[in-house]
Amino acid sequence: GAGVSQSPRYKVAKRGQDVALRCDPISGHVSLFWYQQALGQGPEFLTYFQNEAQLDKSGLPSDRFFAERPEGSVSTLKIQRTQQEDSAVYLCASSLVQGPSYEQYFGPGTRLTVT
Amino acid sequence: RKEVEQDPGPFNVPEGATVAFNCTYSNSASQSFFWYRQDCRKEPKLLMSVYSSGNEDGRFTAQLNRASQYISLLIRDSKLSDSATYLCVVKRGSQGNLIFGKGTKLSVKP
Repeated sequence: GAGVSQSPRYKVAKRGQDVALRCDPISGHVSLFWYQQALGQGPEFLTYFQNEAQLDKSGLPSDRFFAERPEGSVSTLKIQRTQQEDSAVYLCASSLVQGPSYEQYFGPGTRLTVT
Repeated sequence: RKEVEQDPGPFNVPEGATVAFNCTYSNSASQSFFWYRQDCRKEPKLLMSVYSSGNEDGRFTAQLNRASQYISLLIRDSKLSDSATYLCVVKRGSQGNLIFGKGTKLSVKP
């Protein structure tokens, strides 16, 4: 079946522009996660949704970052007034439910370059 | 200090070699443990979960030592296709998010 999809796959933004990154989780998956992966680093947690509820946003690096999942399916990560340090791959993952045993399936990521 | 620490490598080994990766984690509340594999410019994919009793999946063996907060991955009879970055990952109890190490890069040469 279809996996997690993300769009766009690549985004180049000028410093100060706003960007919106989309994630389509696996159908029926309740939990959705966003991670940021800088070059040469492991992914770092940004935020977590269970259905439409954002239960944890402790990883968002600043108030320029905002995420939503209004109908409990597709999610959008928005970054306002992008800065060069926002350049990274943004990964979305989904899992059937939340819990230690449930595998998270990752999308291919959106590679954001801020110039 | 990062919550999950790994030797970044790179590990350059010949085909057929046995290679071992180690990882330590600092939060004793961690409850679930995994190794993920990430190919260049691709997303991470689950390689295997790690259980206290140790577990094996073909050429791959994972071990967990809760007392020492130490996780290992052993790859026997390395193949060219094993070349990738191996990410050590932990998850705390009720929280769903994964906590990744920086990754260890493995390059298997003919």
